[in-house]
Amino acid sequence: ETGVTQSPTHLIKTRGQQVTLRCSSQSGHNTVSWYQQALGQGPQFIFQYYREEENGRGNFPPRFSGLQFPNYSSELNVNALELDDSALYLCASSLQGPASPLHFGNGTRLTVT
Amino acid sequence: AQSVTQLGSHVSVSEGALVLLRCNYSSSVPPYLFWYVQYPNQGLQLLLKYTSAATLVKGINGFEAEFKKSETSFHLTKPSAHMSDAAEYFCAVSDERGSQGNLIFGKGTKLSVKP
Repeated sequence: ETGVTQSPTHLIKTRGQQVTLRCSSQSGHNTVSWYQQALGQGPQFIFQYYREEENGRGNFPPRFSGLQFPNYSSELNVNALELDDSALYLCASSLQGPASPLHFGNGTRLTVT
Repeated sequence: AQSVTQLGSHVSVSEGALVLLRCNYSSSVPPYLFWYVQYPNQGLQLLLKYTSAATLVKGINGFEAEFKKSETSFHLTKPSAHMSDAAEYFCAVSDERGSQGNLIFGKGTKLSVKP
């Protein structure tokens, strides 16, 4: 089975710019979640998509937005980048429901200068 | 609100020694609890999960964890450390809605294994 893939692996942006990160879910999974992992910290939940609708959101401002496509791939968009947005962004796919484990991609390392 | 506390940001053991990584959680409802491992420059991999079945949960790579409600703990153990166990370990709890996508993670414990 194909695992979760994320692109790009690394990205450098300037403060104020916009960025789009992409994620391809594991085959058969209908739910995708995005997490932000700052250096030395645990991952923090940004939001989750199920059947192309946002299905839960963490404590992140509206400039963080997402999409899920019919093939269950997903995008994370961040507008008006700030220096504190520098982090590893992790995508995880799963089946819907609390007993279904999350399968993580290797992440996109975003650096904002 | 739910939360997770991992005691010790860095644990160092000798190869062959017992591994004990501590996790305490806060939850007003029965939680789902998870341990994940992260190797350098990689995403997180599920080690094991507790979903209210057996209190002693066995995972991959010889790891296990015991759910103790009275202590609100879910400590991770492995009888004998191997060099390949060196990584960062994260404990996580699900939120009140029980949707696993909304996991709350601890800050992580970095495990070093000395030869």
